[in-house]
Amino acid sequence: EDQVTQSPEALRLQEGESSSLNCSYTVSGLRGLFWYRQDPGKGPEFLFTLYSAGEEKEKERLKATLTKKESFLHITAPKPEDSATYLCAVPNRDSWGKLQFGAGTQVVVTP
Amino acid sequence: NAGVTQTPKFRILKIGQSMTLQCTQDMNHNYMYWYRQDPGMGLKLIYYSVGAGITDKGEVPNGYNVSRSTTEDFPLRLELAAPSQTSVYFCASSYYRTGQAHEQFFGPGTRLTVL
Repeated sequence: EDQVTQSPEALRLQEGESSSLNCSYTVSGLRGLFWYRQDPGKGPEFLFTLYSAGEEKEKERLKATLTKKESFLHITAPKPEDSATYLCAVPNRDSWGKLQFGAGTQVVVTP
Repeated sequence: NAGVTQTPKFRILKIGQSMTLQCTQDMNHNYMYWYRQDPGMGLKLIYYSVGAGITDKGEVPNGYNVSRSTTEDFPLRLELAAPSQTSVYFCASSYYRTGQAHEQFFGPGTRLTVL
């Protein structure tokens, strides 16, 4: 069974303290990897799609990278407004239209 | 565009009651999905639809039913509500083309409590 594992489960950062979140997956023949941000009480908000190893995408203080086995979401000089749960997802092996989600990393950035 | 809208935002049900969660999207997406999210458990797919008139089960379909009579609407029906169905429910949609996976767009969610 395909698995998507995110680590750490929770991360507490001081404002300005850069860090990285990890998303590892077991599905072979990756057809894309998606990162989402979820604020408390809201639906997930799409951030990035990565399709091939070596690809990178950036948005403000966030940068997502992809290798053959895992993806990283780097948060550079975070601000309190970056506090959220970050989810990654990969297409299901038997149906590309379905996504399998990791459990998420909860990030708290304190002033 | 409003994107994906869901109603209601909150609901409390008694055990054995039934209800329908509404979901509408105005992006002309072909795929639509229903997920439930429990604390620390991530998103679990309940049902999905690849187009009007076509639906299929996801990981956790028991206790739920869906229909898709139009491209825009994808209601989720709970029959005989049970405490195990207490959760937050998200509807999502995507425009899927053969050969490449595409991002899903989510609604704001419905928080359901069954007592």
